[in-house]
Amino acid sequence: GIQVEQSPPDLILQEGANSTLRCNFSDSVNNLQWFHQNPWGQLINLFYIPSGTKQNGRLSATTVATERYSLLYISSSQTTDSGVYFCAVEMNTGNQFYFGTGTSLTVIP
Amino acid sequence: GAGVSQTPSNKVTEKGKYVELRCDPISGHTALYWYRQSLGQGPEFLIYFQGTGAADDSGLPNDRFFAVRPEGSVSTLKIQRTERGDSAVYLCASSLTVAAGVDEQFFGPGTRLTVL
Repeated sequence: GIQVEQSPPDLILQEGANSTLRCNFSDSVNNLQWFHQNPWGQLINLFYIPSGTKQNGRLSATTVATERYSLLYISSSQTTDSGVYFCAVEMNTGNQFYFGTGTSLTVIP
Repeated sequence: GAGVSQTPSNKVTEKGKYVELRCDPISGHTALYWYRQSLGQGPEFLIYFQGTGAADDSGLPNDRFFAVRPEGSVSTLKIQRTERGDSAVYLCASSLTVAAGVDEQFFGPGTRLTVL
């Protein structure tokens, strides 16, 4: 099946700092979503972004489907941004998601 | 409802017992998905439904796992003869359809299953 790799695996930031999370995938995809899993385990939708660039407040994402990667930008990080960030991709041949192993983000005051 | 709901939120059972986990998708969503998440890992696909039928069950680990969605809304994941290795968080998601552009998946809070 498709391989989804996220980097870095762990990230510690001072409050107010910016960061970039990366998601590489090994095959063509129909769909890509970014999620934030909060400390209670809830997966929160951040972006539905099979291609192009989107912005939502302090967060933005870019997917370059032809080069098989996506980036999530977090600016002016806050302690509430802590948690695990997952990208998930859906292949052209099916509707199931393949998740990466996540980036664990800790924002310290 | 406002979002995907799952019950129970926690389930503790003994090895060998049978369990049922329930998922209520977002109203009007025709596609429903089940995933399993082990500690420190990303969710792994189990099965998805388009309407009442299981469109892809390739992620079910063995024949002890079964899922139904008889009326195209609520779904139940059934696990027979539970084993300690089945302990995980079971996540349900739904999407409006499976067509490109309207297949954004929304997740429920999960059911944490512990098999003693």
